Amino acid sequence: DQQVKQNSPSLSVQEGRISILNCDYTNSMFDYFLWYKKYPAEGPTFLISISSIKDKNEDGRFTVFLNKSAKHLSLHIVPSQPGDSAVYFCAASLSGNTPLVFGKGTRLSVIA
Amino acid sequence: IAGITQAPTSQILAAGRRMTLRCTQDMRHNAMYWYRQDLGLGLRLIHYSNTAGTTGKGEVPDGYSVSRANTDDFPLTLASAVPSQTSVYFCASSDSGEAIDTQYFGPGTRLTVL
Repeated sequence: DQQVKQNSPSLSVQEGRISILNCDYTNSMFDYFLWYKKYPAEGPTFLISISSIKDKNEDGRFTVFLNKSAKHLSLHIVPSQPGDSAVYFCAASLSGNTPLVFGKGTRLSVIA
Repeated sequence: IAGITQAPTSQILAAGRRMTLRCTQDMRHNAMYWYRQDLGLGLRLIHYSNTAGTTGKGEVPDGYSVSRANTDDFPLTLASAVPSQTSVYFCASSDSGEAIDTQYFGPGTRLTVL
């Protein structure tokens, strides 16, 4: 059973518009959530995270929103740029030394 | 500063052969991880190590083994490769293994088992 779900395999957005990537999780005990970004032929890189005690975390053009009651988080990118085209992975974890659980990823294409 | 390196970059391997994927980090991180990435399946954890001398099983450990003799190296061994192990393998490391620590990924090894 998938504990972290990214139901949209792909998303296309025009340059300058907002990109919204969604992620759902099933384990209500998860208390830390992260987004990683991956370009082709490279390893994933950390993008932004949020703790379950918050409902929003912002870093420049990137904002992550957490809705604990819905077990849902989303990554907003505004304005979207062509360099944002990549695969975005949502990940979740329990506190402590527990491994991350990744979603399947969403491929974002930002069209100029 | 190299960060985290993996070798080989890619490999084609006959089924039944033994193969070791190498991973080295120079950040003195305590925790290291091995993931495989398959189309439509995302990143799945194979094995991990929270500190030198200890290892743990991830989501898909069968057919793989690891060792952590020192802080820097975390090799992944396929004792007898099978075609279903065709994948891209990523090694990662983090400072302490805590969830809040950023994981730093290597560039990956593309493995094809025929």
